[in-house]
Amino acid sequence: AQRVTQPEKLLSVFKGAPVELKCNYSYSGSPELFWYVQYSRQRLQLLLRHISRESIKGFTADLNKGETSFHLKKPFAQEEDSAMYYCALRPGTYKYIFGTGTRLKVLA
Amino acid sequence: DTGVSQDPRHKITKRGQNVTFRCDPISEHNRLYWYRQTLGQGPEFLTYFQNEAQLEKSRLLSDRFSAERPKGSFSTLEIQRTEQGDSAMYLCASSSRGPEEQYFGPGTRLTVT
Repeated sequence: AQRVTQPEKLLSVFKGAPVELKCNYSYSGSPELFWYVQYSRQRLQLLLRHISRESIKGFTADLNKGETSFHLKKPFAQEEDSAMYYCALRPGTYKYIFGTGTRLKVLA
Repeated sequence: DTGVSQDPRHKITKRGQNVTFRCDPISEHNRLYWYRQTLGQGPEFLTYFQNEAQLEKSRLLSDRFSAERPKGSFSTLEIQRTEQGDSAMYLCASSSRGPEEQYFGPGTRLTVT
């Protein structure tokens, strides 16, 4: 079955600490993977996609096909990073499969 | 362009009533998606339109749910004979033909009493 798993509902880190939000997927083909973010009282928006291999707001994510993972990382967390983060898979069709999300809280 | 808009933002209805939601995508976007999101879950895909054609529909979209995009611009999602389990946030998103970045609307929160 096609699935996205985000094992942590809540992740709390101190400002300046490294952050890693975990995402594992289940899909036998070549996946397209995305991270979406929702800041408080804002709409869901794209943070980054694996095909562009870019760094947005200091975040990066590497697709590891062997481990079927697409973890989101940032070396030094900032308070403005506090938000809900969703990992999403597009399994070769038009639909997207989202994980249940991880709430990141960056403490001062 | 103010982005994707959805109307209404909130809807309270009694069980058994029909409801209709509207989504206006970003004007040049030909792709439109509907999702449902319940508490503690991520968005669940419901259906996808490319222009006016409905190209994919989730099994979650039971016979009581129907979506249209008659002129390839705005879309409507109708739920007939609502049930309490239909209470959720209904999200619309649109994207252009290029890189698949979906732009989400603010959502319509449905409460079925």
